[in-house]
Amino acid sequence: DAGVIQSPRHEVTEMGQEVTLRCKPISGHDYLFWYRQTMMRGLELLIYFNNNVPIDDSGMPEDRFSAKMPNASFSTLKIQPSEPRDSAVYFCASSLASELGGPIFYEQYFGPGTRLTVT
Amino acid sequence: AQSVAQPEDQVNVAEGNPLTVKCTYSVSGNPYLFWYVQYPNRGLQFLLKYITGDNLVKGSYGFEAEFNKSQTSFHLKKPSALVSDSALYFCAVRAYMNTGFQKLVFGTGTRLLVSP
Repeated sequence: DAGVIQSPRHEVTEMGQEVTLRCKPISGHDYLFWYRQTMMRGLELLIYFNNNVPIDDSGMPEDRFSAKMPNASFSTLKIQPSEPRDSAVYFCASSLASELGGPIFYEQYFGPGTRLTVT
Repeated sequence: AQSVAQPEDQVNVAEGNPLTVKCTYSVSGNPYLFWYVQYPNRGLQFLLKYITGDNLVKGSYGFEAEFNKSQTSFHLKKPSALVSDSALYFCAVRAYMNTGFQKLVFGTGTRLLVSP
C-alpha cells in the first residue's frame, strides 16, 4: 500500500482565499484523522471520522474550518476564508480499528502533511 | 488534565551509545501510552505502545520503552543508537475529552541527534 496520501504537499495562499487540503487514507482503514502541527501549539487533533461519518469535531478551531469525507477513500479539509494564523502543517492519518478507543485506534498512520502558508 | 511532558527539547548521543528520551504522564485511571517518531518532512510513525502487562515494551527499529507507574514515566530507550535514529520523538497518551470521546494527546516532542 502507498500509505496515506496528501495533496498538495505545499500550499501558499493569500489571506481571504479558500484552501482545500486533500487526503486519501490507507485502503481498509475505518478511521480518518485531521491534525494540525505548529511550533506554538504542537500537534492538535481537529476532527476524526469513522466509516466516513464525523465522530468528533470539537478540535476544529472556527467555523472557517470544515471537513468532509464523501467516501472511504477521500477526505477534504477546507479553510474559508484563510488567515495568516492558519499557517501550519496539516496531517491526515488513518487507523484500522474495529473499536473506538481500543488499542489499535491509536496506532495511526500519518501522511506526509501539507505545509500551508497564508500571507 | 490528561497530558504528557517531555522535559528535554533535544537529546544528543554518540552512535553506538545507549539513548533515553524521557516522558512523564498525567492521567486518571490506567494510562494508554505511545511513542511516535517524525523524520524530516514526513508524517509521524507509530513506534510502540503500552496498554497493560509487562512494564518493558518493545517496538520498531530496536526501540523499547519502560512504563513506571510510581514515577508516572514512560521513557523511550535503545541500547545502541544509530545516526539514522536522528529524528523528532513524540510521547502521547490517551485522553478523554469533554465530549466523551477519546483522542491522542501528544507531547511537545524531543529532537534526538545521534552523532557519528
